[in-house]
Amino acid sequence: GENVEQHPSTLSVQEGDSAVIKCTYSDSASNYFPWYKQELGKGPQLIIDIRSNVGEKKDQRIAVTLNKTAKHFSLHITETQPEDSAVYFCAASRNNQGGKLIFGQGTELSVKP
Amino acid sequence: SQTIHQWPATLVQPVGSPLSLECTVEGTSNPNLYWYRQAAGRGLQLLFYSVGIGQISSEVPQNLSASRPQDRQFILSSKKLLLSDSGFYLCGGKSSGNTIYFGEGSWLTVV
Repeated sequence: GENVEQHPSTLSVQEGDSAVIKCTYSDSASNYFPWYKQELGKGPQLIIDIRSNVGEKKDQRIAVTLNKTAKHFSLHITETQPEDSAVYFCAASRNNQGGKLIFGQGTELSVKP
Repeated sequence: SQTIHQWPATLVQPVGSPLSLECTVEGTSNPNLYWYRQAAGRGLQLLFYSVGIGQISSEVPQNLSASRPQDRQFILSSKKLLLSDSGFYLCGGKSSGNTIYFGEGSWLTVV
């Protein structure tokens, strides 16, 4: 089955700097790759996603890149702000198997003012 | 857009007692539904998913079971809780498209 690895597990940056979180996946049939942000004690919230027919997607300060050949995808946050501090999860899924998401282990991002 | 409701939000139960966590979905019909657990640490582990009424797929052998008695209702149960069942339980729903939306979670502490 699918296995998703996420790095780093913790990331600390200064306000205004960029943050990059990387994930790799094992199943070449996976074709959908979302990123979630989870604040303490709350459910994960989708922040951006990318499908396998696209190499890059951007939404204001957030961007995601996908390299299908290497089976890895990354989240880029520019001009970080203290409110970006949270745990971020990458995930992967394929069309069948009920569309279930397999998650990475998460990255705890801390943005210091 | 769909909304996922979970209850109870927090629960403290003794070892050996039964469990019932409920999830309902608003704003869509015939969704795929999911139960995930987030134990100490941060990873989300898929426990069960359902593509329709009465259809349950189990991802890991465990002390829990799931049921889907209605189109937009998903229930997570146990007959006898173990200490290791403690964690943060998340219900997710997906209608058309690929995106899974999550509820606010249920904190379970088994004592």
